[in-house]
Amino acid sequence: GEDVEQSLFLSVREGDSSVINCTYTDSSSTYLYWYKQEPGAGLQLLTYIFSNMDMKQDQRLTVLLNKKDKHLSLRIADTQTGDSAIYFCAVNNAGNMLTFGGGTRLMVKP
Amino acid sequence: EAGVVQSPRYKIIEKKQPVAFWCNPISGHNTLYWYLQNLGQGPELLIRYENEEAVDDSQLPKDRFSAERLKGVDSTLKIQPAELGDSAVYLCASSHYTGELFFGEGSRLTVL
Repeated sequence: GEDVEQSLFLSVREGDSSVINCTYTDSSSTYLYWYKQEPGAGLQLLTYIFSNMDMKQDQRLTVLLNKKDKHLSLRIADTQTGDSAIYFCAVNNAGNMLTFGGGTRLMVKP
Repeated sequence: EAGVVQSPRYKIIEKKQPVAFWCNPISGHNTLYWYLQNLGQGPELLIRYENEEAVDDSQLPKDRFSAERLKGVDSTLKIQPAELGDSAVYLCASSHYTGELFFGEGSRLTVL
């Protein structure tokens, strides 16, 4: 089945850029997502990208997709303390079945 | 518009006891999902409903877990009997067909 991998932890200073990386195995995935989870809360969809796109920008968020390497990244510009959370990469396969990575905990230091 | 509502938010039980979780999806969403999220991990799909039909329950441990979605709206997920390893967060999500998934806040289960 699909395997989605993320690094466990990232620490940045407030105002810096954050880059969270994700790799996946299923090249047939058509949609790739980034979710944010704050403590004690459910998952909130941040952004997504179609597999036929290389890049998508949405305000402070930039998603880059390298289909050849099956690599997805999320860049958060001007990272704020409110961005501290766990970020999950998810890819879909047939029937809108999502496979999630293990999540990357982002810590933003003032 | 109300989001996905789950209850209870927290539940503490002793092992071998039964437990049930309830989910009310967003109005009009025909697809409902139950995910299991273990501590420090990403969510894993347990079961997916399209209307009242379970279309994917391959990851649901059927010896102790059961789910239903009568009338194609609300859903319940039951564990009987609960084991220590069932301690986790149980997330419900809904979508309009294959659109964006909206998640509830989850039900955190602690089995003692």
